[in-house]
Amino acid sequence: EAQVTQNPRYLITVTGKKLTVTCSQNMNHEYMSWYRQDPGLGLRQIYYSMNVEVTDKGDVPEGYKVSRKEKRNFPLILESPSPNQTSLYFCASSSDLSGHTEAFFGQGTRLTVV
Amino acid sequence: AQKVTQAQTEISVVEKEDVTLDCVYETRDTTYYLFWYKQPPSGELVFLIRRNSFDEQNEISGRYSWNFQKSTSSFNFTITASQVVDSAVYFCALHIYNQGGKLIFGQGTELSVKP
Repeated sequence: EAQVTQNPRYLITVTGKKLTVTCSQNMNHEYMSWYRQDPGLGLRQIYYSMNVEVTDKGDVPEGYKVSRKEKRNFPLILESPSPNQTSLYFCASSSDLSGHTEAFFGQGTRLTVV
Repeated sequence: AQKVTQAQTEISVVEKEDVTLDCVYETRDTTYYLFWYKQPPSGELVFLIRRNSFDEQNEISGRYSWNFQKSTSSFNFTITASQVVDSAVYFCALHIYNQGGKLIFGQGTELSVKP
């Protein structure tokens, strides 16, 4: 089954404690993105990747890092989380840039930073 | 600037009523795609429809229908005879070629269907 898998689904952590949210897709997609969802703001892109070892900032990259060492994996790293990073996070992958095929989204990771 | 606006933050209806969710977008691109996603209380994003900017035909899928009008830059979504299971947050999104095929989302409309 084609899917994007995020882990964990839920995470409560303390300010400053490094954490990683994993994302893996089994569709051999080149393009992957991370989004965060906040009330009243919809989803906003954090980082994206065009291929292995090719990553770039999206619209709200501050406080986040990513890596793309393998095509299937695109982890999101918060090296020093702060309460304003409390949010619902989604990983997405797609096979083309045109929009002709829809992006596949992971199940979401609800992060709370206290 | 590219932008999507869903002016209705919350809508509450009684079961079997029809409801329309509005979506207005801004883009200077001549070729683009628009999407609707549903987010049920469980939190995942469920793809509903994709529409190419060259295809202005309305689309119907069961109780769902979409009205795309380039002249007003709108892509509205209507649920006919709403059901409690339609209760969710609905997002309209504009796809752009840049930034890895980024989706620009509207703020979302929370639909509550009461029995």
